[in-house]
Amino acid sequence: AQSVAQPEDQVNVAEGNPLTVKCTYSVSGNPYLFWYVQYPNRGLQFLLKYITGDNLVKGSYGFEAEFNKSQTSFHLKKPSALVSDSALYFCAVRDRASSASKIIFGSGTRLSIRP
Amino acid sequence: DTAVSQTPKYLVTQMGNDKSIKCEQNLGHDTMYWYKQDSKKFLKIMFSYNNKELIINETVPNRFSPKSPDKAHLNLHINSLELGDSAVYFCASSQSGLAGSNEQFFGPGTRLTVL
Repeated sequence: AQSVAQPEDQVNVAEGNPLTVKCTYSVSGNPYLFWYVQYPNRGLQFLLKYITGDNLVKGSYGFEAEFNKSQTSFHLKKPSALVSDSALYFCAVRDRASSASKIIFGSGTRLSIRP
Repeated sequence: DTAVSQTPKYLVTQMGNDKSIKCEQNLGHDTMYWYKQDSKKFLKIMFSYNNKELIINETVPNRFSPKSPDKAHLNLHINSLELGDSAVYFCASSQSGLAGSNEQFFGPGTRLTVL
């Protein structure tokens, strides 16, 4: 069975500082990994994904994530946080072994950037 | 141009009533989904359709019935509404292929409140 964990409910960072939002996963095979962002009263928006190839994936709004197979992690990072990055972030995993497998979302991490 | 649209945006109703939520996507995708997001922001898949065929049907009460008249539309009908059905319901779409590596596009959500 596949699962994904976001160990932090909330992450607080000062504007201009680097940020990291953690995600670990468990799948029986190899994963597809995704990050989505949800602003208040909005639907989720896709940020980036890992399929194969380079472990460092770059996405929208200056975000990037690093796939680490040995640690089964896919942490989201940004070198310099903006107040406008404040939102709810979801990590998601899908088992690539089956095209019918569903995507599983983590519990979400609320990112708060203080000016 | 709205990619994934849902109507209504808000739905307030009494227990025991029957209601429907409509979803339409103009992205040309062949797969559509319904998700439920509870008050703690947990996101859980309910159903998925691929080319009008049901491919994912999670453990959802049979009071919930999806209907896909064509691959651009996926509606959700809920019978005999209960207090616990109160949540935000999101529709999403994606293009199948590459064993599920494609990202999903989410609608703005429908906030259902059952009184």
